[in-house]
Amino acid sequence: DAKTTQPTSMDCAEGRAANLPCNHSTISGNEYVYWYRQIHSQGPQYIIHGLKNNETNEMASLIITEDRKSSTLILPHATLRDTAVYYCIVKGRDDKIIFGKGTRLHILP
Amino acid sequence: SQTIHQWPATLVQPVGSPLSLECTVEGTSNPNLYWYRQAAGRGLQLLFYSVGIGQISSEVPQNLSASRPQDRQFILSSKKLLLSDSGFYLCAWSVSLSYNEQFFGPGTRLTVL
Repeated sequence: DAKTTQPTSMDCAEGRAANLPCNHSTISGNEYVYWYRQIHSQGPQYIIHGLKNNETNEMASLIITEDRKSSTLILPHATLRDTAVYYCIVKGRDDKIIFGKGTRLHILP
Repeated sequence: SQTIHQWPATLVQPVGSPLSLECTVEGTSNPNLYWYRQAAGRGLQLLFYSVGIGQISSEVPQNLSASRPQDRQFILSSKKLLLSDSGFYLCAWSVSLSYNEQFFGPGTRLTVL
């Protein structure tokens, strides 16, 4: 069963912030939210993960709602190279990563 | 640093022929290893994972099999390919199941005709 729900596709103008939503209303207390992305014809790339608090790294920021039922991945200044499929994944610490269908993000010049 | 290799990069095989895809990891010991398949226009499907030599867990019943003859070598095989086996096959490794990040190889694009 899918643990996350993401929009099928999104567009974002180059240079603007890309905000990718993810719903995970059935998340349990010990499950983390992970984000990966897959550029065409390449393997997925880890972006960020979080449990309760918001997280930021050199690639993106992750905002998790207080009830943890949804989250948003933010790419602060999207470039054409950010065009990819973005996967939101919920998993427990010792669980395998299960990929859904993700969101296809198009960065428009 | 760690690197992960897959070969071949592309493969075209007739229906009913055997298959052997190889994945090797360098720069780490006792990694967890994974095989994924991505059919055209679809998401990644976990096929097999291994936590050690000779230890294989199958996620989806099918005509594929996996083996781990050495610590850093993971092989995906089939005795007779089906048309539905076409897809993009990705190998990945992680430090452990609980480690946050999986590292993916470049993939093998398999076309079964």
